[in-house]
Amino acid sequence: ETGVTQTPRHLVMGMTNKKSLKCEQHLGHNAMYWYKQSAKKPLELMFVYNFKEQTENNSVPSRFSPECPNSSHLFLHLHTLQPEDSALYLCASSFFPGLAGGQTAGELFFGEGSRLTVL
Amino acid sequence: SQELEQSPQSLIVQEGKNLTINCTSSKTLYGLYWYKQKYGEGLIFLMMLQKGGEEKSHEKITAKLDEKKQQSSLHITASQPSHAGIYLCGADDGGTYKYIFGTGTRLKVLA
Repeated sequence: ETGVTQTPRHLVMGMTNKKSLKCEQHLGHNAMYWYKQSAKKPLELMFVYNFKEQTENNSVPSRFSPECPNSSHLFLHLHTLQPEDSALYLCASSFFPGLAGGQTAGELFFGEGSRLTVL
Repeated sequence: SQELEQSPQSLIVQEGKNLTINCTSSKTLYGLYWYKQKYGEGLIFLMMLQKGGEEKSHEKITAKLDEKKQQSSLHITASQPSHAGIYLCGADDGGTYKYIFGTGTRLKVLA
């Protein structure tokens, strides 16, 4: 059993479809992340959840809707996507640092990714 | 916001050769992480550096952090085909827990 599991691994959808990506972590971490990886671009941070609370929304279009029902599960709901949203979507988890300054978060543990193609 | 620039963007080496990948930050580094990614897959954590001058090694991979230069280097000794992949550096953006990443260095090792 891997630490961070993403499903599905591959997804093809039309622009009018509604689908969801799922992420599950078995590492006891308290923070979960969604990243988007497009060709020749750095990984883009989309959302951060700490103890189920969203702490970061990096100006992501509303057609991407995250959900974090508990600290082990993270979803990304997709609707009316555009072809330029085709990318590898990566989920990650980590220990979230305390709010006292100067602490660095632990390393990220990534899932295998969900390859999304929007037609 | 902070940016990480990696060089070179791609690298092709003969098996057995040494190589170095660099990562330069536009701002002060609060922890620097190195990851390896196989095409289309998730990132695998290699090592983390936190203090200036810190150096860590894992098997044939060594990473160093030059805090003053806001730079880190990843050195592979006697490269093998198993080292092939994309190497990414990551950092905690200004100590805010928001991880950012460089564009990656694509490494190919010829047998």
